[in-house]
Amino acid sequence: QSALTQPASVSGSPGQSITISCTGTSSDVGGYNYVSWYQQHPGKAPKLMIYDVSSRPSGVSNRLSGSKSGNTASLTISGLQAEDEADYYCSSYTSTNTPYVFGTGTKVTVL
Amino acid sequence: QVHLQESGPGLVKPSETLSLTCAVSGGSINSDYWGWIRQPPEKGLEWIGYIYYSGTTNYNPSLKSRVSISIDASKNQFSLNLRSVTAAETAVYYCVRTAGGTFDYWGQGILVTVSS
Repeated sequence: QSALTQPASVSGSPGQSITISCTGTSSDVGGYNYVSWYQQHPGKAPKLMIYDVSSRPSGVSNRLSGSKSGNTASLTISGLQAEDEADYYCSSYTSTNTPYVFGTGTKVTVL
Repeated sequence: QVHLQESGPGLVKPSETLSLTCAVSGGSINSDYWGWIRQPPEKGLEWIGYIYYSGTTNYNPSLKSRVSISIDASKNQFSLNLRSVTAAETAVYYCVRTAGGTFDYWGQGILVTVSS
């Protein structure tokens, strides 16, 4: 099972919106509504930000939103803030020989 | 609020067995799926496996021959054993709760270095 494909880096200025893509196949992203997004600050554990494609856990800012089209899921961060600077990983349930697969990770930089 | 805490040796010799325990508080281990994920330094996340409270397990095929996850409901904790480790398996190991298709609670992580 190959990792889901994410851009290595995305940047934006404070207040702007950015979108991170997560591309898989019909066996994972495209086949199930079990896409999640995690935020990881340096030296910290990943934190769940979006689950089931577009649902936000309690306490997560509504500036973050998730969506999916075909085999590609997306995470949009609007009103970019300094605290959003972190690594972001997507994950998906898969129907292959392993039930879960992660994305390659995207470093978000706030200019 | 569920809290997870990893514990175990921070240094393991090559070819030996890596053993970690995850203590669960704020909730019962007698439900849901509990698992392990690792992250080598400066690299991405890799799913290792999970155990259901009933004892059913599922492992990453790339590790299946060397990994086992067990559960101790009396202590509200679960454990990871990874045999015959190599230096390439130096990583931060996280214990997680798996709910549906997501990992909603994570431990703080424990760095395990494989070195002689």
